[in-house]
Amino acid sequence: ANQLTQTPSSLSASVGDRVTITCRASQGISSALAWYQQKPGMPPKLLIHGASSLESGVPSRFSGSGSETDFTLTISSLQPEDFATYYCQQFNSYPHTFGGGTKVEIK
Amino acid sequence: QLVESGAVVVQPGGSLRLSCAPSTFNLDDYAMHWVRQPPGKGLEWVSVISWDGGSTYYVDSVKGRFTISKDSRKNLLYLQMDSLTTEDTALYYCAKGIGAGADFWGQGTLVTVSS
Repeated sequence: ANQLTQTPSSLSASVGDRVTITCRASQGISSALAWYQQKPGMPPKLLIHGASSLESGVPSRFSGSGSETDFTLTISSLQPEDFATYYCQQFNSYPHTFGGGTKVEIK
Repeated sequence: QLVESGAVVVQPGGSLRLSCAPSTFNLDDYAMHWVRQPPGKGLEWVSVISWDGGSTYYVDSVKGRFTISKDSRKNLLYLQMDSLTTEDTALYYCAKGIGAGADFWGQGTLVTVSS
């Protein structure tokens, strides 16, 4: 299985900070990567698909980049509602593995 | 958008079938996924069925025990789960696929495997 390694596993940041989360695949996946945001008690919410395509309705402060093995989710200016856990998921091969998650907490 | 069956408790070795009903789209137009999340842990992809039902895939840990299927006439997605173990305890989500992403998710069904 293609393993996805997310770093960091957690981070503390302040409102207005620029936040970057990394997802590294053990094998190349072209652009077949999605990013999700999950808040407690809620299902995941799609933010980015195809590595860099912003899902409809998602604020433009979220952006995704990368290809093959190295991907990044960036939040340009962290807002109070962005404190959550973020996951990457690859769709290049089965099983469609998830990264371990990154918990973004308030500093 | 996606209505899932209610929470259930089952004994180890038992079976159950989860269901998922889309309210705003036709299952025959999209691939559909099942994803699970053990309490307090991360997400694990479980299975997918193609838009036409002709292809199904599973994570190794459930192969031979779980079966994904759909009833196109009823517009219902299913996950048949057999030979359950305590390791299968999790919140199970159904989700609509859009290529490299899943854009609509159900609220989840809590499956507890316990004696």
